[in-house]
Amino acid sequence: SQQGEEDPQALSIQEGENATMNCSYKTSINNLQWYRQNSGRGLVHLILIRSNEREKHSGRLRVTLDTSKKSSSLLITASRAADTASYFCATDAVNTNAGKSTFGDGTTLTVKP
Amino acid sequence: EAQVTQNPRYLITVTGKKLTVTCSQNMNHEYMSWYRQDPGLGLRQIYYSMNVEVTDKGDVPEGYKVSRKEKRNFPLILESPSPNQTSLYFCASSFLAGANVLTFGAGSRLTVL
Repeated sequence: SQQGEEDPQALSIQEGENATMNCSYKTSINNLQWYRQNSGRGLVHLILIRSNEREKHSGRLRVTLDTSKKSSSLLITASRAADTASYFCATDAVNTNAGKSTFGDGTTLTVKP
Repeated sequence: EAQVTQNPRYLITVTGKKLTVTCSQNMNHEYMSWYRQDPGLGLRQIYYSMNVEVTDKGDVPEGYKVSRKEKRNFPLILESPSPNQTSLYFCASSFLAGANVLTFGAGSRLTVL
């Protein structure tokens, strides 16, 4: 089963609203990354948060990490129609081969103009 | 331009006809990886390579082969494709494994009849 699971599976909001999506994982991690995918295209890296960090910001993005709950959240503030995409978390688990990476199933975000 | 290039982008083939999906990166990355993406299942790792001549299985390696004879290339080989290998395939690379940002190719959509 997947290490990371995003919630909700789908999210639809109006332009200007904030979007929050969550990622839960099962085993301890070294770091967690969020990626974005426009329909059928390759994934693009958004932000990386290490296990000893609790929060990171990048522009309109805010990522939090709660290692005690094994969860992370991605907040997109003041959303735009161009933010419409799927968002995935990817984890790098402790005590696994360094090359193994695990992606969640993704949250599909639709931002209505 | 720094990029990961996959070919072909689209392919329709028949069961049992060997095919190769090529992947090339121009960033001198040591780490390369293949994923498949299926609806509802997110991205699943097929094989990865930590460096030249070093490859290892991901979560779903059955039915696939890879090789890493040169640093820049990491082809994915389907010796005898079957319909359950119909999927969207992504190649990705990073400087090193682990806490490094992955750069993804544009994807290869494969249909096996």
